[in-house]
Amino acid sequence: KAGVTQTPRYLIKTRGQQVTLSCSPISGHRSVSWYQQTPGQGLQFLFEYFSETQRNKGNFPGRFSGRQFSNSRSEMNVSTLELGDSALYLCASSPGEGLETQYFGPGTRLLVL
Amino acid sequence: GQQLNQSPQSMFIQEGEDVSMNCTSSSIFNTWLWYKQDPGEGPVLLIALYKAGELTSNGRLTAQFGITRKDSFLNISASIPSDVGIYFCAGHPILTGGGNKLTFGTGTQLKVEL
Repeated sequence: KAGVTQTPRYLIKTRGQQVTLSCSPISGHRSVSWYQQTPGQGLQFLFEYFSETQRNKGNFPGRFSGRQFSNSRSEMNVSTLELGDSALYLCASSPGEGLETQYFGPGTRLLVL
Repeated sequence: GQQLNQSPQSMFIQEGEDVSMNCTSSSIFNTWLWYKQDPGEGPVLLIALYKAGELTSNGRLTAQFGITRKDSFLNISASIPSDVGIYFCAGHPILTGGGNKLTFGTGTQLKVEL
């Protein structure tokens, strides 16, 4: 099976702009989770989507949002970008049945100038 | 957000040596997972543990789910240069409240000297 894919791999934006990142899960996986990774805070959970519904949410401001489509592909959006949003954004997929192993994509490296 | 306490923070070892790292939490976990991350890439799953006391091996890697459900360790035997990278523990806290939200450790950076 193909792994988790994320696009784009790299992105440069300026403060105040918005950005949309995309994730395609492993075929057959219905749960998609998003994480932010920074040197200072490590890996932090953003949110999880399952069957097009947000099932879990981390402690991030409302500028961070996401959605999931009927084919389980997911997007996350960050509006009004701040310098501190520069990070590696990771998407992970799992079958969706419970407390399962998550498989990660390569990430999108976002730089906010 | 909550993070697991992972130690050591970094290790610099000789090729062929055994490596041990661990992860502890003040709260109970339902699962423990160990991942390895190379620069610029996403974490790759190494071992998954689902029951207290479980001991699982994957080649030269061995990991255990602590009896108290508050800790886990990962051992790497006979390290080789490709073991270089950052190792993360992760798990599902008992109070996740459903869904699939992982809490991650702070990472152990492993460097191997030839």
